Amino acid sequence: GAGVSQSPSNKVTEKGKDVELRCDPISGHTALYWYRQSLGQGLEFLIYFQGNSAPDKSGLPSDRFSAERTGGSVSTLTIQRTQQEDSAVYLCASSLPLDRTSYEQYFGPGTRLTVT
Amino acid sequence: QKEVEQDPGPLSVPEGAIVSLNCTYSNSAFQYFMWYRQYSRKGPELLMYTYSSGNKEDGRFTAQVDKSSKYISLFIRDSQPSDSATYLCATFGGYQKVTFGTGTKLQVIP
Repeated sequence: GAGVSQSPSNKVTEKGKDVELRCDPISGHTALYWYRQSLGQGLEFLIYFQGNSAPDKSGLPSDRFSAERTGGSVSTLTIQRTQQEDSAVYLCASSLPLDRTSYEQYFGPGTRLTVT
Repeated sequence: QKEVEQDPGPLSVPEGAIVSLNCTYSNSAFQYFMWYRQYSRKGPELLMYTYSSGNKEDGRFTAQVDKSSKYISLFIRDSQPSDSATYLCATFGGYQKVTFGTGTKLQVIP
């Protein structure tokens, strides 16, 4: 079946521009996660959704970052006024509803963002 | 203090060596412990998981959890160049988000 898809796969933008990153989770997966992975750094948690609500936004680095999810499916991560330090791979993952069996997250291939 | 700590490496070993990857965690409520493998330019994939303390073996891979010391290990026997990847440990307490370590980059040299 279809896995998690993300678009675009690569994005080059100029400093100060806004970008939108999209994630299509696996059908039926109500939990959705956004992570950032920078070169030489680990997997940095940004935000997670249970359905359309985001109980934990603690990982968003600044108020330039926002995310939404509609219809319990597609999610968009928006970065306003991009800075060079925003350059990273942005990974999305989805899982079954948060209970004892939902430990397995399925990751998309990521969006590689480069801010010039 | 991060909830899950992992040495970022890189770790470089010769082919055929036994590899030991380790993490520590701080929250005693964590019950599920996972290892994800991430190849270059790909998303992480679940490799193994264990519940509570103990060992779990799958082919050349053994996952070990010691809850008394809050220590998680992954052992790879007879390492192969195809094992070269970043390995991320992760923990889960149920009804909470999964918490990942930062990942250890492993290179197996032919």
